[in-house]
Amino acid sequence: GESVGLHLPTLSVQEGDNSIINCAYSNSASDYFIWYKQESGKGPQFIIDIRSNMDKRQGQRVTVLLNKTVKHLSLQIAATQPGDSAVYFCAENIIGTYKYIFGTGTRLKVLA
Amino acid sequence: DADVTQTPRNRITKTGKRIMLECSQTKGHDRMYWYRQDPGLGLRLIYYSFDVKDINKGEISDGYSVSRQAQAKFSLSLESAIPNQTALYFCATSDTDYQPQHFGDGTRLSIL
Repeated sequence: GESVGLHLPTLSVQEGDNSIINCAYSNSASDYFIWYKQESGKGPQFIIDIRSNMDKRQGQRVTVLLNKTVKHLSLQIAATQPGDSAVYFCAENIIGTYKYIFGTGTRLKVLA
Repeated sequence: DADVTQTPRNRITKTGKRIMLECSQTKGHDRMYWYRQDPGLGLRLIYYSFDVKDINKGEISDGYSVSRQAQAKFSLSLESAIPNQTALYFCATSDTDYQPQHFGDGTRLSIL
């Protein structure tokens, strides 16, 4: 079911284009950040992470950028594919604490 | 993530009933968590456990209890279910610091 995804901001992109999903994090003391992908009926799936001593990290077709000055995180997906359609959300953590703070998410729709 | 298994996947029950949600993992992680997910909100932490003898309340623990039966098993109970506990519930595990959480596919719980 799609009940989790109701009322989320939506980003629609053409298949093959690049996608950029943004996240404003809340705590300037956070030092570890994660992007998750959540498909309908499934749990959040880890995509990529970054530590606060970095400002960019690349994976396969994905790049995460971290701007600590403005507390902003972004996820770039290259050559977006239909299988990328999902809800994406960020999480932040202060190392040594139990607390992960999760964003509400952005729905990515890939148009054929 | 097939390494984190939640049962049941769906449950419909009545107000006042006692319910147990179960989580088992094969990742060998010490840290386990229970979250709930509601439309338009980020994941919220109910309880967490950093090892078998460690149980801690999260931000929304009222009305819930947990049991860590073994390193691999962490169950969540609703002693007397109420309708506003209708939500998606996720179990997660993590290893050490600077490691992402790994989630099960969730339990969709409806309380009538």
